Amino acid sequence: GENVEQHPSTLSVQEGDSAVIKCTYSDSASNYFPWYKQELGKRPQLIIDIRSNVGEKKDQRIAVTLNKTAKHFSLHITETQPEDSAVYFCAASIGNSGYALNFGKGTSLLVTP
Amino acid sequence: DGGITQSPKYLFRKEGQNVTLSCEQNLNHDAMYWYRQDPGQGLRLIYYSQIVNDFQKGDIAEGYSVSREKKESFPLTVTSAQKNPTAFYLCASSNPGQGEGEQFFGPGTRLTVL
Repeated sequence: GENVEQHPSTLSVQEGDSAVIKCTYSDSASNYFPWYKQELGKRPQLIIDIRSNVGEKKDQRIAVTLNKTAKHFSLHITETQPEDSAVYFCAASIGNSGYALNFGKGTSLLVTP
Repeated sequence: DGGITQSPKYLFRKEGQNVTLSCEQNLNHDAMYWYRQDPGQGLRLIYYSQIVNDFQKGDIAEGYSVSREKKESFPLTVTSAQKNPTAFYLCASSNPGQGEGEQFFGPGTRLTVL
């Protein structure tokens, strides 16, 4: 199947710093790109998403950018807090499947006080 | 928590036995999905269904089977043909027909094959 590559696999930042996670995808038909946060022992939850007709979207401290030509998208978290510590997954829709997703392997973010 | 439930939370089976994992949603969502989560591997799509009585294979469908006889239910059977079935299984649902891409996940079932 088509791949979604995610980097880095682990990221450690100090409280108040910014964190950036990057993903690339290969399916040129992908048109929906969500980001999920999974805390230890819990289910993944959507934190932000972007569609292919938009280049950037922001929600408070979280922003996502999309470069459809280069097939990459990024998650930006500003003013990080310890409660941002979790595993973050990017995903790309599988063609015209109706939003079935290919996920990246995840980034474990640790925010230290 | 999103109206999607999975049971049981933990499941132990002997090698060679088939086992069925339950997934139920009361969100009136058309689409349902099954993912497998292994450490360091992210979520990998097993099967998905966009409508009742229809489903498609994901990347790792071998050794698994599903049915979608009712809108609210999408059970997953792990067969003896699945070579490495021990994993955490997540079910999700969404409403793509309404332009809503967000998938809501269940709490997961941790399957251990002894």
